Amino acid sequence: DADVTQTPRNRITKTGKRIMLECSQTKGHDRMYWYRQDPGLGLRLIYYSFDVKDINKGEISDGYSVSRQAQAKFSLSLESAIPNQTALYFCATSDTNEKLFFGSGTQLSVL
Amino acid sequence: QKEVEQDPGPLSVPEGAIVSLNCTYSNSAFQYFMWYRQYSRKGPELLMYTYSSGNKEDGRFTAQVDKSSKYISLFIRDSQPSDSATYLCAMSGTNDYKLSFGAGTTVTVRA
Repeated sequence: DADVTQTPRNRITKTGKRIMLECSQTKGHDRMYWYRQDPGLGLRLIYYSFDVKDINKGEISDGYSVSRQAQAKFSLSLESAIPNQTALYFCATSDTNEKLFFGSGTQLSVL
Repeated sequence: QKEVEQDPGPLSVPEGAIVSLNCTYSNSAFQYFMWYRQYSRKGPELLMYTYSSGNKEDGRFTAQVDKSSKYISLFIRDSQPSDSATYLCAMSGTNDYKLSFGAGTTVTVRA
């Protein structure tokens, strides 16, 4: 079984819809992250959490929100999806600042 | 100007060739340097990790850091078709909460 599991793997939605992407981990790490990946732009940090009561904005948090339901679970919500949020989304965990462990990603398309 | 610059390629080489990848950066506070490998529709996985300047070798892979030039490199010797992937450089400072990623270079090793 994967250490970092993301669901769904693919999602197509319409403009204005609210959607949630989920992430769970079995690595026992306190730190969890949400990134998006766009061609030519690399990975950009959306939100991060260093423990259950700690939530922080990353560099591109507008239009997104997160919930840390437990040490092992970290979900990302798009309150009202727009087409430029079409991207590949990754959840990651770590026990240091440097060594991240990524899930397999969610390909999101907003029509 | 991006904090981390990486030529996106693509790069195509014959099997057995040496692959040379590099990134430049502008933040002199960066101390930790990493290379992640990402296969198609998978999350990035940590390949090499270096602290400060110098070289690090792991099998067919060599990572080099030149802090005076703000330049890092990854060399893959005796490249194999299984090395075909996107390679992302990443870096951070001592007290950074996040990694700064390059855009990634896509490499294809032809059999």
